[in-house]
Amino acid sequence: GAVVSQHPSWVICKSGTSVKIECRSLDFQATTMFWYRQFPKQSLMLMATSNEGSKATYEQGVEKDKFLINHASLTLSTLTVTSAHPEDSSFYICSVKGRSNTEAFFGQGTRLTVV
Amino acid sequence: AQTVTQSQPEMSVQEAETVTLSCTYDTSESDYYLFWYKQPPSRQMILVIRQEAYKQQNATENRFSVNFQKAAKSFSLKISDSQLGDAAMYFCAYRGYNTDKLIFGTGTRLQVFP
Repeated sequence: GAVVSQHPSWVICKSGTSVKIECRSLDFQATTMFWYRQFPKQSLMLMATSNEGSKATYEQGVEKDKFLINHASLTLSTLTVTSAHPEDSSFYICSVKGRSNTEAFFGQGTRLTVV
Repeated sequence: AQTVTQSQPEMSVQEAETVTLSCTYDTSESDYYLFWYKQPPSRQMILVIRQEAYKQQNATENRFSVNFQKAAKSFSLKISDSQLGDAAMYFCAYRGYNTDKLIFGTGTRLQVFP
């Protein structure tokens, strides 16, 4: 399978600050990238889908001004959590898909803790 | 809208034995993909097996096989000769043929006892 690198693996930030999470596709061109959020012992909740060079499409209930997604190249997408609050603490996972791929490949996830 | 249901929050199996995880889904589409993903304690999602709906033959990957019943909208995962490393959360997922979006079930936690 494809190699997807997500960085950082964990981050602790102060309430009110912003934090950026990177998702890199290391060995193929990711035309589509997905960002998920996973609460403890729950399933993955899709937050947004981004295509290279286009604005991200956000799922209902996800604040696009709070969760900024940039997909500037075929190998990199970033998720920025702006003005973070403790309720934003969660596990964030990216996944990538190439145009010719049937399945998506996942990064190792980022645990965000807002204190 | 499509939905994926995993009715077993937890399952357990003895090492070397066989276990089956259930998954049902609801869709009005005729062409789609179904997946089983494994999420071990490391939280890295790993693709276990994939099934195309247009294929009647059940997918198999080594010790992992599926029982795909299209009419019943059922997609169960059978793990044979269970190993300690199989212990993880298992998620069933659906993707429409013309979309990139995955719809996940709620997951089944599998414990493997020595």
